[in-house]
Amino acid sequence: VQLVESGGVVVQPGGSLRLSCAASGFSFEEYSMHWVRQAPGKGLEWVSVISWFGENTYYADSVKGRFVVSRDRYRSSMYLQMNSLRSDDTAMYYCTKEARGTFWTGFDSWGQGTLVTVSS
Amino acid sequence: QSTLTQPRSVSGSPGQSVTISCTGTSNDVGGHNYVSWYQQEPGKAPKLMIFDLIKRPSGVPDRFSGSKSGNTASLTISGLQAEDEADYYCCTYTGTNSVIFGAGTTLTV
Repeated sequence: VQLVESGGVVVQPGGSLRLSCAASGFSFEEYSMHWVRQAPGKGLEWVSVISWFGENTYYADSVKGRFVVSRDRYRSSMYLQMNSLRSDDTAMYYCTKEARGTFWTGFDSWGQGTLVTVSS
Repeated sequence: QSTLTQPRSVSGSPGQSVTISCTGTSNDVGGHNYVSWYQQEPGKAPKLMIFDLIKRPSGVPDRFSGSKSGNTASLTISGLQAEDEADYYCCTYTGTNSVIFGAGTTLTV
């Protein structure tokens, strides 16, 4: 299993950004996928989940209405569109895979992360 | 919003056992078995150590075990080794289409 995130950059407050996660080594369409972030020197924070075919998506209250998660089964990729970015969105963003096919079981594979910095 | 309470730090000597607690509520930890534990070394991505409360992924030593009593989940590490020194996070389903992490516990060996 390999998860590779990309797209993290320095962006101004109020700006937008799209993160990508390229998956390989497993049947991508059989697993829900999540985004988890970690602010510098802080703990882990769950961000969002998307179901096998993208029919269900859920978000943390802190990003609801600003972030949109999506996936492309043909590219075995997941995306996170981040809008109206704030300084407290500054974090390492990890792409993770469910341990089992269903939701909420645990995250058994993690990417190396991509760093998003929101600063003027 | 739900919170999970973990001790800030724990310590033990090589060969000893330590237990890290994770206290939630009857709506989250106490309401199901969707509890997982993660080990994170400095500068690295987290690693899954326990999922579904008690299950170990392939490759995780059986020195690591998970359990629960009421609204408190626990991760026990027996036969402590120097390489176990890391931050540990618990995680659970909130019951309302989201998960939460504890603030993390630093284990010193």
